[in-house]
Parts: sequence; structure tokens; C-alpha cells
Amino acid sequence: GAVVSQHPSWVICKSGTSVKIECRSLDFQATTMFWYRQFPKQSLMLMATSNEGSKATYEQGVEKDKFLINHASLTLSTLTVTSAHPEDSSFYICSASSFAGLAGVLQNEQFFGPGTRLTVL
Amino acid sequence: EDKVVQSPLSLVVHEGDTVTLNCSYEVTNFRSLLWYKQEKKAPTFLFMLTSSGIEKKSGRLSSILDKKELFSILNITATQTGDSAVYLCAVGGTSYGKLTFGQGTILTVHP
Repeated sequence: GAVVSQHPSWVICKSGTSVKIECRSLDFQATTMFWYRQFPKQSLMLMATSNEGSKATYEQGVEKDKFLINHASLTLSTLTVTSAHPEDSSFYICSASSFAGLAGVLQNEQFFGPGTRLTVL
Repeated sequence: EDKVVQSPLSLVVHEGDTVTLNCSYEVTNFRSLLWYKQEKKAPTFLFMLTSSGIEKKSGRLSSILDKKELFSILNITATQTGDSAVYLCAVGGTSYGKLTFGQGTILTVHP
């Protein structure tokens, strides 16, 4: 199956600093990557959809200036949490998907990275 | 707005029991329904269902979709302690590639 990696797996930072999380598709070209946030005992909440070479599409309520997403290549997307605060502490998960078939349909099957646990002190 | 509801929210069973997890949905332009298993880290893919009435099976796990009644079930037979996890149901609809997740079912299997 397709493999997606995330780095770092966990990070602790002081309030006010910025943190960058990388998401890489290791064995396929990911035309689209998704960034989720998951609070304890809750489900995955989609933050934004990122397409290679274009601006990310953010879900309602997610501040695009606070959560900067870059998808510069077909194998790498980054999420930067700017001026992080304790309420940003969460489990951040990326997933990747790609087009397939002659029609170039984007598959619903998403492959998830292992997640990054962010703790802001 | 797309909506996915899972039930029960939590379930405690003993090894050897059979469990059935439910997922109902309301989505515009349904494309597929996916089941994931999440342990301590990110979700791992179990099944993707696109057609009604066709059972997908993998070992002790099986799943089926009913597009008329808008629900899916995930069955786990002869449960083991290693099946303890959160089981997530997600549906892909209108927005290309985007998945809407349910709240998850927390399954605990006791020895």
C-alpha cells in the first residue's frame, strides 16, 4: 500500500513560536493532501485541502494565516502553525490521495501519515 | 452539509464475541464509504465501499453498504484484544477527494 510519512512525530514548543510539520508521500505522487486535527477522544476534523502547485482550500473556521500550508511538490506538503498557543495543542494528521484511472478521477481512498502530536506550553 | 453518524459510540466485549458497528450518512453526490481503524496513531485503512450489497471481507472483518437506506455496517467476528481501537467511518461526497468522518466507535475487547 501507499506510504505517507510525517515529521516530526511529536513536538513541544513555547507559546508564540512557529512549528512546521512535513507530510511526504514516499512511493506515489500525491496530487492532493489533506490536513486534519484531532483532539482527544474526538474524530478527525478536516482543516484544509492542499493541491500541488495551488493555494490550499481551508474549511470554515480554520484561520489560513495561522495555519500556513504549502504543497510545492507532488510528494511534499507542509503545515506551519504560526504563533502557536496552548489551545493549538493537538494531534495533526496528514493524508494523501491521487488521481487514478483514464478519467483522472481523484480517489476517495486516502493514505494517512502517522500524525504529529503538538504540545504548546 | 455532509453528515456521518456512527453507533454505538463505545462498545465493551469479551474475546470471541462478534460485534457490529453502524454508520449512517447524509451526503450530496455519494462516491464512497470508507472504514478505518485507529489505534494510538493515525488511521489505517480497512475497506472502501462504493456499491450496495457487495460484502467486502478481510479475515474476521467484513463490511457491507446499503445505498438505499444510507448506511453501512462493519462486522468483526471472534474478536481479539488486538481489535481494541477506534473504528472510523468516512464518506466521500461532492467535494473531490474530501472525506467527512463520523465520531468513531471505541471498541474495547477484554480477555
